[in-house]
Amino acid sequence: GESVGLHLPTLSVQEGDNSIINCAYSNSASDYFIWYKQESGKGPQFIIDIRSNMDKRQGQRVTVLLNKTVKHLSLQIAATQPGDSAVYFCAENMRGGADGLTFGKGTHLIIQP
Amino acid sequence: GAVVSQHPSRVICKSGTSVKIECRSLDFQATTMFWYRQFPKQSLMLMATSNEGSKATYEQGVEKDKFLINHASLTLSTLTVTSAHPEDSSFYICSAWDSLNNEQFFGPGTRLTVL
Repeated sequence: GESVGLHLPTLSVQEGDNSIINCAYSNSASDYFIWYKQESGKGPQFIIDIRSNMDKRQGQRVTVLLNKTVKHLSLQIAATQPGDSAVYFCAENMRGGADGLTFGKGTHLIIQP
Repeated sequence: GAVVSQHPSRVICKSGTSVKIECRSLDFQATTMFWYRQFPKQSLMLMATSNEGSKATYEQGVEKDKFLINHASLTLSTLTVTSAHPEDSSFYICSAWDSLNNEQFFGPGTRLTVL
């Protein structure tokens, strides 16, 4: 079936640097995309979302970019901090929060001191 | 954001027994809740959609008679793993849909270990 996938399973960056986590999705009907952060042993924590009628959205230290032409989603984290170390998942569905989400495989972000 | 709780946070049971996991939306009403399962170092997989006052909708490959879901009120959904086996050991995570904000809020998860 269709799924959401990630290019890199592990990403290691220096503290203070910017990081970019990528995600490819295959369902062209997807309308809503979300990035989650998951720390070990905890549930996913919402970071930022974007709808298909947008190509960029910014939050505090984070930016999500959506390229519908190539079905690609990215999460940029500026000035990474030790607390950013976690696994990051992209997720998507077709009806916003009202539908169950399809999650990507996850990227483990490691912040080096 | 809104708060979703799960109980218990961890449970260990013997093979063949049943385990009930509760998911509660603490400060909003949720007509729809979702149950996910996450195996170690893997992603979350949607198991079922829990609808208040009606039957749950299960994803392909998820046995409805093994994973019983009850959404008896607007703030509580329960997942019962019946006749649990070691392969059911996993991290079970629920989420609740806040229709006012059109956002899903996730619970902290329940770690199930079946011996």
